[in-house]
Amino acid sequence: QQQVKQSPQSLIVQKGGISIINCAYENTAFDYFPWYQQFPGKGPALLIAIRPDVSEKKEGRFTISFNKSAKQFSLHIMDSQPGDSATYFCPPGSNYQLIWGAGTKLIIKP
Amino acid sequence: DSGVTQTPKHLITATGQRVTLRCSPRSGDLSVYWYQQSLDQGLQFLIQYYNGEERAKGNILERFSAQQFPDLHSELNLSSLELGDSALYFCASTPSGTGGVPEAFFGQGTRLTVV
Repeated sequence: QQQVKQSPQSLIVQKGGISIINCAYENTAFDYFPWYQQFPGKGPALLIAIRPDVSEKKEGRFTISFNKSAKQFSLHIMDSQPGDSATYFCPPGSNYQLIWGAGTKLIIKP
Repeated sequence: DSGVTQTPKHLITATGQRVTLRCSPRSGDLSVYWYQQSLDQGLQFLIQYYNGEERAKGNILERFSAQQFPDLHSELNLSSLELGDSALYFCASTPSGTGGVPEAFFGQGTRLTVV
């Protein structure tokens, strides 16, 4: 059973453009919705996270939008930069457990 | 630097062998998680320990085992290795708290190559 589905699997965006990655989940018990960023050869690192009591959270160029009824949340990267090229994961969680999907590979072309 | 230390960084071994991967969590973190990441794949959760006790189990093969010691470091033992076990193995630790899902801090990983 696939609890978390990310789309697209890969994404190429021009420098300065907006990158959008979507995450759909099934378990309504999740109460924590983070995005992790992973560079090649490194471990993932928390980028931004949201709780279900808010619909949007912005930190610098990164914004999470959360739609509880649709069981979806998305990551928007404004003014995308080559340094944003990485794999992004959206592992929703509850009770100290994160459920990891396959990830989205983002490439920002200069 | 996440504060989580994994050793060794690289490991090359032959099929059928046994290896031990080591993880030192961030100071004060009681929870340790182990993950497997095959080439260009997502993270597969293997097992979680909390203060020395197994707390959750994921898709961990019977050939694999783990433990967390009193000083909170953890070891992942992989035996009867197969070519398909070649992957990056990550350890993560989380701060202790009263509930919810705290931020997971990942180590740099151990790249295992089975030949």
